[in-house]
Amino acid sequence: DAGVTQSPTHLIKTRGQHVTLRCSPISGHKSVSWYQQVLGQGPQFIFQYYEKEERGRGNFPDRFSARQFPNYSSELNVNALLLGDSALYLCASSFGTSNYGYTFGSGTRLTVV
Amino acid sequence: GENVEQHPSTLSVQEGDSAVIKCTYSDSASNYFPWYKQELGKRPQLIIDIRSNVGEKKDQRIAVTLNKTAKHFSLHITETQPEDSAVYFCAAIPNTGNQFYFGTGTSLTVIP
Repeated sequence: DAGVTQSPTHLIKTRGQHVTLRCSPISGHKSVSWYQQVLGQGPQFIFQYYEKEERGRGNFPDRFSARQFPNYSSELNVNALLLGDSALYLCASSFGTSNYGYTFGSGTRLTVV
Repeated sequence: GENVEQHPSTLSVQEGDSAVIKCTYSDSASNYFPWYKQELGKRPQLIIDIRSNVGEKKDQRIAVTLNKTAKHFSLHITETQPEDSAVYFCAAIPNTGNQFYFGTGTSLTVIP
């Protein structure tokens, strides 16, 4: 059974550009959460989606948006990239809205130059 | 919101010795406390967790203790091995919330 898959694994973008990151949850998991992990720090919560609806949002600007599709996969979009957006973006899936049984993907390493 | 503090930020131990990492949290409503291990360039992996109705949980060489009154919890690794070297993160989740609040991480090095 495949785990949480994220694509791409690495990405380099220029300031001001837009980026889309993708996540496929574990089969049967209906909840997807996104986290940003800046080098040397713990992951910071960005969004949680469950059954295609936003269930939680962290303290991130409106440049960050996300959505979840009928097959429970998800996209994270970031507009007007800043140097400070450089980070590892992690997706985690779970069966329901509680976060017991969280499983993280391997992440997308975004570098903004 | 919840605030999780983690200490120490770095820890070096000799192989075979024990390692202890401590976390404190601020929100008394938090009721679930997982620990994650993250090796360089890899995803965080759950190694042990504890719920607020339990004071201690053990899984082979790894144990977690929780003191709800003092709002702190600790990870204990006994008989450390070089493959235990990694960054360890604690986290807390309030029963009213849907997000993990992570600590800042502890870089553990086990010296052969």
